[in-house]
Amino acid sequence: NAGVTQTPKFQVLKTGQSMTLQCAQDMNHNSMYWYRQDPGMGLRLIYYSASEGTTDKGEVPNGYNVSRLNKREFSLRLESAAPSQTSVYFCASSEPGQVGYQPQHFGDGTRLSIL
Amino acid sequence: AQRVTQPEKLLSVFKGAPVELKCNYSYSGSPELFWYVQYSRQRLQLLLRHISRESIKGFTADLNKGETSFHLKKPFAQEEDSAMYYCALGGAGSYQLTFGKGTKLSVIP
Repeated sequence: NAGVTQTPKFQVLKTGQSMTLQCAQDMNHNSMYWYRQDPGMGLRLIYYSASEGTTDKGEVPNGYNVSRLNKREFSLRLESAAPSQTSVYFCASSEPGQVGYQPQHFGDGTRLSIL
Repeated sequence: AQRVTQPEKLLSVFKGAPVELKCNYSYSGSPELFWYVQYSRQRLQLLLRHISRESIKGFTADLNKGETSFHLKKPFAQEEDSAMYYCALGGAGSYQLTFGKGTKLSVIP
């Protein structure tokens, strides 16, 4: 049972470089999410996709773009990486229905360092 | 606006002692509350949700709408309970889950 799979697990970038974080889920979930986790800040929602073909901004979308490629895959792109984007990024998915009533399932995370 | 407050960044207890991790929320509608746990270098996983009224790994949490709280409790802490705990809030009409900043529980042998 893979659940939510994120790639890569670790990445080091230089300021200004671009990168795409990949996420795929095999649970047939409609909704998918990208969070960043920073010390003392908890998890903050970057973008989410309520269903295939839709994406919406979360709490901290600046500097990021997303693509819901199909029902399984939801990618996060950093067009021009900045040191402030050094973080651990988590992808999550949830069962059909509004997120408030459905628990989210998380991937293992991607540790991203930007120098 | 949704808000979740976990007042303690770090909570240390001795093995066998009771544990209470505090969570307060602010939400104008009907809330849906969750507790997630993250063990060292593992993914976040759902511990329990208020609507299920279940006990997982000896933990329970009761939603108190009057005090807008959803505190997590366990009568006797175990070393394997050491982890980061996040309280999360969702609600009707919302596709967003709001997380608290988390409480690190350390159980001292």
